[in-house]
Amino acid sequence: NAGVMQNPRHLVRRRGQEARLRCSPMKGHSHVYWYRQLPEEGLKFMVYLQKENIIDESGMPKERFSAEFPKEGPSILRIQQVVRGDSAAYFCASSPIRQGPRASGNTIYFGEGSWLTVV
Amino acid sequence: SQQGEEDPQALSIQEGENATMNCSYKTSINNLQWYRQNSGRGLVHLILIRSNEREKHSGRLRVTLDTSKKSSSLLITASRAADTASYFCATVSNDYKLSFGAGTTVTVRA
Repeated sequence: NAGVMQNPRHLVRRRGQEARLRCSPMKGHSHVYWYRQLPEEGLKFMVYLQKENIIDESGMPKERFSAEFPKEGPSILRIQQVVRGDSAAYFCASSPIRQGPRASGNTIYFGEGSWLTVV
Repeated sequence: SQQGEEDPQALSIQEGENATMNCSYKTSINNLQWYRQNSGRGLVHLILIRSNEREKHSGRLRVTLDTSKKSSSLLITASRAADTASYFCATVSNDYKLSFGAGTTVTVRA
């Protein structure tokens, strides 16, 4: 059973270009979370999606960022018109059930991350 | 704002020594988790401790939780070079979001 797969692992974009990051959750997982890690910092929640639904995007910047998790295919985090401040590691996580107080044990699994560098 | 704050920011120890790092948080939690991140890699889940637990062990790892002080500690005993990594605590409150601290970078010298 493959883990959470993210690609590309490393991406370099010039300012103003678009970055598209993909995440394939673990088999059987229908809940996907995106986190961002700025240099020397911990991870910050961005968005929580289920198939065809954005459940919570409260951590996403209001402009230029969007996320989707279509019925078929991977979840996509899209950053339009990238700026230097978008340089970060973007992590995807998936879980078979919605995380929360009643979730037992470690049911959230992280991918290896996508490192975006904006030059 | 970050929920967990790790202390110290960085730690350098000799192989075989113990490493202790602390995490403080602000609001009530349902559980607290510790993760390891090797440079340039993803997060590896180490251990989860629930709010009604005080101590938990997993191999060379020992985690304590003091909800009255809103703090947790992670102890790695008999450290190895392979333990060199950043360690993060993450708290879960009433929803699905993990709130991470900025991490403790541990360097184990051979």
